[in-house]
Amino acid sequence: EDKVVQSPLSLVVHEGDTVTLNCSYEVTNFRSLLWYKQEKKAPTFLFMLTSSGIEKKSGRLSSILDKKELFSILNITATQTGDSAVYLCAVGPRIQGAQKLVFGQGTRLTINP
Amino acid sequence: NAGVTQTPKFQVLKTGQSMTLQCAQDMNHEYMSWYRQDPGMGLRLIHYSVGAGITDQGEVPNGYNVSRSTTEDFPLRLLSAAPSQTSVYFCASSLAGGNNYEQYFGPGTRLTVT
Repeated sequence: EDKVVQSPLSLVVHEGDTVTLNCSYEVTNFRSLLWYKQEKKAPTFLFMLTSSGIEKKSGRLSSILDKKELFSILNITATQTGDSAVYLCAVGPRIQGAQKLVFGQGTRLTINP
Repeated sequence: NAGVTQTPKFQVLKTGQSMTLQCAQDMNHEYMSWYRQDPGMGLRLIHYSVGAGITDQGEVPNGYNVSRSTTEDFPLRLLSAAPSQTSVYFCASSLAGGNNYEQYFGPGTRLTVT
């Protein structure tokens, strides 16, 4: 059974701190790993990772994938209160013609001023 | 583009009632899916479709039906609502094939079954 586990489940830090969110997975025929940010409503796309060791970066957010150890991390530097959200990790198995994503439980990040 | 739209935003049902959650997208995406999100459990796939006339079951399909008569619309039917179906429901769409796994999500429908 395909499985995605995120840690920690909850994290509270002060504005300006750097945080690292973890995502490990067990998926047959891995294709890609995605990170989403969810504030009060729909998840919004952050990154898609398909190759090991290649960092994806967007402003203060960055992510990297390790396909040998089956995990990914999402880093946020110089955190701001607007970064408070649930961060979801999802893995897409290699299935012909379909894009079934398996999601982790999410990490609830709270940034205090 | 409106993106992915869902109606209604909120719904309260009594046990045993049926209803349809609507989902539409205007991006000409082949792939559409329905997820439910419960506290502490992330999103779980209910049903998905890779194109008009083609649907398949996801991880938690029991109690739900879908159909895909057009590329744009993908309604989710609850046949006989149960309290265990109280959840937030998200519809998503994306292009099919290749590495196009970026799924665009609708705003969600919060369903309560009493």
